[in-house]
Amino acid sequence: QSALTQPPSASGSPGQSVTISCTGTSSDVGDHNYVSWYQQHPGKAPKLMIYEVNKRPSGVPDRFSGSKSGNTASLTVSGLQAEDEADYYCSSYAGNNNFDVVFGGGTKVTVL
Amino acid sequence: QVQLVQSGAEVKKPGASVKVSCRASGYTFTSYYMHWVRQAPGQGLEWMGVINPYRGGTSFAQKFQGRLTIMRDTSTSTVYMELSSLRSEDTAIYYCAKEGSDDYYYYMDVWGKGTTVTVSS
Repeated sequence: QSALTQPPSASGSPGQSVTISCTGTSSDVGDHNYVSWYQQHPGKAPKLMIYEVNKRPSGVPDRFSGSKSGNTASLTVSGLQAEDEADYYCSSYAGNNNFDVVFGGGTKVTVL
Repeated sequence: QVQLVQSGAEVKKPGASVKVSCRASGYTFTSYYMHWVRQAPGQGLEWMGVINPYRGGTSFAQKFQGRLTIMRDTSTSTVYMELSSLRSEDTAIYYCAKEGSDDYYYYMDVWGKGTTVTVSS
């Protein structure tokens, strides 16, 4: 299966919003609500930010929100803060009726 | 609290095998699948495979079929990932990550700190 498509970079000023897209196909992103998002700071392990398209784990600020339309999922970070500068990865069920997970290529978010 | 503690860094020669451990604590080990994900230097995340710690059943990404083994020891709540026939492209950080749902909803809610594996002659 192919990786999900994310823009390589996104940026915004403190207090602004930034939205990252994650495009798959009707077999993966478009077929189920098994889309999740991870934040990764340099030298650190990934951290779960959103699961099942739009659910937030406890402890994740409500500035982070997820949505999906058709084959494209999105992560929006509102009220950008300096600590939001990181790499963000989407992932999804790979669409092969198996246990496979597919990740996006990652998006580097820069807080200007 | 839920923790995944991974074994230390490894340096291997091409053609060798590497075995990385991941010891879980703070939850019922057999109730949640365990994923393995790797990240090559400067690259993105790549899903490798998963194990059901209760039954021991495994599933692997196509590209690792035949080279990857994942096993578990329920007596120590430890999962092991073994990758054989190593090549330079296998140089990466290897993460274990706990499935987030008590079913299988394709997401990981807790990650180990990662184990660096370097393949070099």
